[in-house]
Amino acid sequence: ELKVEQNPLFLSMQEGKNYTIYCNYSTTSDRLYWYRQDPGKSLESLFVLLSNGAVKQEGRLMASLDTKARLSTLHITAAVHDLSATYFCAVDKHGGSQGNLIFGKGTKLSVKP
Amino acid sequence: KAGVTQTPRYLIKTRGQQVTLSCSPISGHRSVSWYQQTPGQGLQFLFEYFSETQRNKGNFPGRFSGRQFSNSRSEMNVSTLELGDSALYLCASSTRDRGFRSGTQYFGPGTRLTVL
Repeated sequence: ELKVEQNPLFLSMQEGKNYTIYCNYSTTSDRLYWYRQDPGKSLESLFVLLSNGAVKQEGRLMASLDTKARLSTLHITAAVHDLSATYFCAVDKHGGSQGNLIFGKGTKLSVKP
Repeated sequence: KAGVTQTPRYLIKTRGQQVTLSCSPISGHRSVSWYQQTPGQGLQFLFEYFSETQRNKGNFPGRFSGRQFSNSRSEMNVSTLELGDSALYLCASSTRDRGFRSGTQYFGPGTRLTVL
């Protein structure tokens, strides 16, 4: 059974600091997604990582994928309050053939001034 | 391009009733997946439809069902509601490539269902 584990589950950061969220998954997959969810809102797609060594960056967020280690990271650089949200990683079960995402439990990020 | 839309946004029902939720995908997207989000269980896959056919189903009881229409719009139905069905129900749409692999799933705003 495919399992996706994120850590930490809660993260309180000071503005201007850097931190990394980790996402481990249990079986081989070459498609990994990162989503952001604001309170009471839906999921916003941030990154899709399709191959080993893939790195994507958008603003203060950078995501990477190591398929051999079954690990993805979401690195936050110089955090700002607007980044406060819950971040989910999700792995595409069946390699994308059946539209079935397995999500981690999410990392609730709070950025304080 | 308009995003994924879901109706209604909020619903309050009582135990034993049934409910139907609707999802309109992004134009050109033919794959629609449904997820349930609760504080305890997180995000869980319900089912996926493509070309009016259910392609995959998650581990939910038969009270949860769905369908897809020829215009790719999808509905899900929950019969005999239980208190534990209270959740945010999200649908997501995506394309499929030539190898039938699903693209990025784009999520709608969700329907918040409360069962009393």
